[in-house]
Amino acid sequence: DAGVIQSPRHEVTEMGQEVTLRCKPISGHDYLFWYRQTMMRGLELLIYFNNNVPIDDSGMPEDRFSAKMPNASFSTLKIQPSEPRDSAVYFCASSPPANTGELFFGEGSRLTVL
Amino acid sequence: QKEVEQNSGPLSVPEGAIASLNCTYSDRVSQSFFWYRQYSGKSPELIMSIYSNGDKEDGRFTAQLNKASQYVSLLIRDSQPSDSATYLCAVTPRGGGFKTIFGAGTRLFVKA
Repeated sequence: DAGVIQSPRHEVTEMGQEVTLRCKPISGHDYLFWYRQTMMRGLELLIYFNNNVPIDDSGMPEDRFSAKMPNASFSTLKIQPSEPRDSAVYFCASSPPANTGELFFGEGSRLTVL
Repeated sequence: QKEVEQNSGPLSVPEGAIASLNCTYSDRVSQSFFWYRQYSGKSPELIMSIYSNGDKEDGRFTAQLNKASQYVSLLIRDSQPSDSATYLCAVTPRGGGFKTIFGAGTRLFVKA
């Protein structure tokens, strides 16, 4: 089975530009998570969905960040406008309905905002 | 106090030795506990999960949980150079849905 698929793998953009990161979870998984990883703050949960519905977005840093999950096989994380402090690796992860809490991560999207 | 604390390391052990990685957590009613391995430039990979007090063994890995002490550990027996990575402790609080909180990670080096 294919794992969690993220795109793009690398993104370099200039401050003020819009950034859209994409994620396809593992088929059959009904939980989807967006995490951000930096050296200073480690892995931080931004938002998670269950059955395409956002459950907790308290980790989203500010209004510049938004996430959607229009269907069970696709999610986006958008940053508009982007700032240099948004530079990080953004991971998408999914989890199966068994409710074990185990996370399966994608390879990540490395974002650099100049 | 951080919710999940780990020694950042690096922890250096010789090949064949036992590596011991430790983690403490602050939420007394935490429910689920995980260890993830992350190679440099790669994504975290789940290697162990533990839900009740005691030990859980899987191959060369043993996870130990002590809820009274709010302590979880990972032992790696017969350490190999390929075990060199950052190990992340993760905790999911009871009633917190899936708000899994990660520690900062411990870097492990296994010397050949």
